[in-house]
Amino acid sequence: DSGVTQTPKHLITATGQRVTLRCSPRSGDLSVYWYQQSLDQGLQFLIQYYNGEERAKGNILERFSAQQFPDLHSELNLSSLELGDSALYFCASSGGQGHEQYFGPGTRLTVT
Amino acid sequence: AQSVAQPEDQVNVAEGNPLTVKCTYSVSGNPYLFWYVQYPNRGLQFLLKYITGDNLVKGSYGFEAEFNKSQTSFHLKKPSALVSDSALYFCAAARGNTPLVFGKGTRLSVIA
Repeated sequence: DSGVTQTPKHLITATGQRVTLRCSPRSGDLSVYWYQQSLDQGLQFLIQYYNGEERAKGNILERFSAQQFPDLHSELNLSSLELGDSALYFCASSGGQGHEQYFGPGTRLTVT
Repeated sequence: AQSVAQPEDQVNVAEGNPLTVKCTYSVSGNPYLFWYVQYPNRGLQFLLKYITGDNLVKGSYGFEAEFNKSQTSFHLKKPSALVSDSALYFCAAARGNTPLVFGKGTRLSVIA
C-alpha cells in the first residue's frame, strides 16, 4: 500500500459527460501529480500541484482541469468526454525534489 | 527536452537466470533516475532511485541498477529472476524540480 488513495476505482460514462477523479496524497507529501496511462500513449504526465499551486503542466487537454485543495487532496476534472479519453488515470505524491513518487491504485475510466 | 528510452518492449528470461532491463536517458545536467514496476491492474510501485553517490543502487525485491554517466544509461538488473518478477517495468528521469519523464515500459516475462 503506497498510502495514496484514489476514488473511484472504476468509472463508466458516456461521451460528452463530465467526471471528477479524486486523490488523497500520502501523509506529509505536498506534491501531487496526475498521469494518464493508455495502451497506445504509455504513461503521460498531465499536471503537478505543490501545496495548492500549479507547478508544472504536461500533455493536459483544455477539456481537463485539476486543483489541489488546502487539505492537499486533489481532483482531476474531465469534461466533454470522448471515447479516446478512456484510460487509467493515476495520481502520485512525493515529498519534494529528488524524492520518489508514490502512486495510487488508479481510476479506470471507460467512455462509451 | 528530457527523454527516456527503453529499447526493448519485451524481455524474456528463464527463472533463476540473471535479468537486465535497459534504460537510457537524455537529461541535461545531473539527473535523478528511477525504476518503477507495475503489476496488472495496479499502480506503479517504486523500486529504486539514483540521485548521487555510488553508481550501483540497490532497491526492493533484490533489484539493483547501475548508473553510467558516459553511456547515459541506468539499466535494471537482478542476479536471479523469479516468476513473480514478471511485470511491466518503467524507467523515469527528472532534473531538479521538473516532473518525471517515463520511458514506454518494458514487459518482463520470467519463464519457469
